[in-house]
Amino acid sequence: DVKVTQSSRYLVKRTGEKVFLECVQDMDHENMFWYRQDPGLGLRLIYFSYDVKMKEKGDIPEGYSVSREKKERFSLILESASTNQTSMYLCASSSKTSGIMDEQFFGPGTRLTVL
Amino acid sequence: AQTVTQSQPEMSVQEAETVTLSCTYDTSESDYYLFWYKQPPSRQMILVIRQEAYKQQNATENRFSVNFQKAAKSFSLKISDSQLGDAAMYFCASATGANSKLTFGKGITLSVRP
Repeated sequence: DVKVTQSSRYLVKRTGEKVFLECVQDMDHENMFWYRQDPGLGLRLIYFSYDVKMKEKGDIPEGYSVSREKKERFSLILESASTNQTSMYLCASSSKTSGIMDEQFFGPGTRLTVL
Repeated sequence: AQTVTQSQPEMSVQEAETVTLSCTYDTSESDYYLFWYKQPPSRQMILVIRQEAYKQQNATENRFSVNFQKAAKSFSLKISDSQLGDAAMYFCASATGANSKLTFGKGITLSVRP
């Protein structure tokens, strides 16, 4: 059974803290993604990575950074958490198959609250 | 740039009935893919159905089927014989063939009445 896991289901942090959200997949996928999900806004892409040590900005990268040192792990970093970063964060991964768009597999999400 | 629009925030269906969820999209690409994802209350998002734009035949997965109208840029999801387990948020999404990056709509919450 394929798995994408996220380090925490719920997280509470204070404004100004540095926050790390971890995502691990066991499917040997090349592609990994970080989204945030907010009511009425759907899912918005923060960052994605096509390979180890490779990253590309998504639609809303401001205030975030990422790290991918190993193929199976993709970390989202909030350098200085702010209240407007309170959200549900979803990690996903997919295989890089040429010619066919593979589905993305999602983790359970991390509900982050910044006080 | 791609956009995906789901204009209905909520829908309700009686158990065993059929419901159709609407989605429109816009893209300048000729090669693209369309998806419906389901997010149950437990929050793990799963793929429901996928459609390649170059295929004229509508995709079907058991009780789930799509009505893909390429000229109208419409991609609706039909759920037949609705079950209580179908209650979830459903997201329509698109992606170009160039990469795996998905663009999501805002989602629709489907409730199923017993």
